Amino acid sequence: GNSVTQMEGPVTLSEEAFLTINCTYTATGYPSLFWYVQYPGEGLQLLLKATKADDKGSNKGFEATYRKETTSFHLEKGSVQVSDSAVYFCALSAGGSNYKLTFGKGTLLTVNP
Amino acid sequence: GAVVSQHPSRVICKSGTSVKIECRSLDFQATTMFWYRQFPKQSLMLMATSNEGSKATYEQGVEKDKFLINHASLTLSTLTVTSAHPEDSSFYICSANPPVDTGELFFGEGSRLTVL
Repeated sequence: GNSVTQMEGPVTLSEEAFLTINCTYTATGYPSLFWYVQYPGEGLQLLLKATKADDKGSNKGFEATYRKETTSFHLEKGSVQVSDSAVYFCALSAGGSNYKLTFGKGTLLTVNP
Repeated sequence: GAVVSQHPSRVICKSGTSVKIECRSLDFQATTMFWYRQFPKQSLMLMATSNEGSKATYEQGVEKDKFLINHASLTLSTLTVTSAHPEDSSFYICSANPPVDTGELFFGEGSRLTVL
């Protein structure tokens, strides 16, 4: 079956530091890959996505590239801000119009001023 | 973007009682909604797929008699936790896919259930 493994947290960084949260997946076929973010007290929001190999998703300074050869979708940001403090979830769907998502366990990021 | 709203955001109930959680798509019609459960420091676990006008499809290991799902209209799905026990305490999140295939799910704010 499908599975997502992401870096265990928590991750604590200082403002303006470089962020990487690793995510690897196992899936049959060609899944779509997502990063969702959950701010304290709120529901999940889509941060970025990629639907095919070598696609790069980007939003709010975050980037992730769909690497089929390494089955990875690592999240990066060059300079984090305090407001980026949240839980980040890597997820995949089986592709096409199948919206059933398989999530990783989530990584708590805390950015200190 | 599309808005999905859940109610209540927090609920505390006594053991043995039933609790209903609503999930509404506010500005679009959703033929399919999904219910997830999130354990502390764990991932979201898909519980069931709610289909408008038909029975929900439950994931393996989820008790359908325990977690009743009703998708009576294109904008409302409800999850009822029946005869709740402390182990049912959790964060329940719903999501819905918009009618146009954007590849994106929209999530509610979540409902935290505490069973005493």
